[in-house]
Amino acid sequence: AQSVTQLGSHVSVSEGALVLLRCNYSSSVPPYLFWYVQYPNQGLQLLLKYTSAATLVKGINGFEAEFKKSETSFHLTKPSAHMSDAAEYFCAVSGRRNTPLVFGKGTRLSVIA
Amino acid sequence: SAVISQKPSRDICQRGTSLTIQCQVDSQVTMMFWYRQQPGQSLTLIATANQGSEATYESGFVIDKFPISRPNLTFSTLTVSNMSPEDSSIYLCSVESRDRFADTQYFGPGTRLTVL
Repeated sequence: AQSVTQLGSHVSVSEGALVLLRCNYSSSVPPYLFWYVQYPNQGLQLLLKYTSAATLVKGINGFEAEFKKSETSFHLTKPSAHMSDAAEYFCAVSGRRNTPLVFGKGTRLSVIA
Repeated sequence: SAVISQKPSRDICQRGTSLTIQCQVDSQVTMMFWYRQQPGQSLTLIATANQGSEATYESGFVIDKFPISRPNLTFSTLTVSNMSPEDSSIYLCSVESRDRFADTQYFGPGTRLTVL
């Protein structure tokens, strides 16, 4: 079974500051890990994914995440926040092919000018 | 990647009626998944739809309330039956597509349902 915990339902950063969104997972099998972003009134867009290849994964819009097995974490970072990054971010896990995703509760990112 | 479309994009319905949501994918896929996102909440899996067999429902969701059809490898429908205001949510379908390096789940744009 899989589960995801996102620490912090709301994160607020200043424009240009580091963005760090935390995600810890639990999985009984080697996981596939994902970060999705949802802008207001829109669907889910894939930011990046971990597939058991490189532990540091680069995604779109300057985001990246590092898989740390020892810490069961997959935190999302971006060096410099932009106003357009304000959205809801979801971490998700799956265990193998053709299985549904298990989502965290989401973290709402606010960017302050 | 997979391109997924959903119809309708949004609807406002009266209590007690039913709504059928369509999900169309631009490629053949084995599994399709239906999720619900209640206001301000995360996504919860409703059911998994495999072509040619009955859908598999998650705990708390039943076929009488959320009947699903999967007539072929590119299409599925979800019906929300006998609706109540508690059914007001965004309903999303997703599919798994094999990207260059791994399997990735892609989501449709969602159907925003409001029940009065």
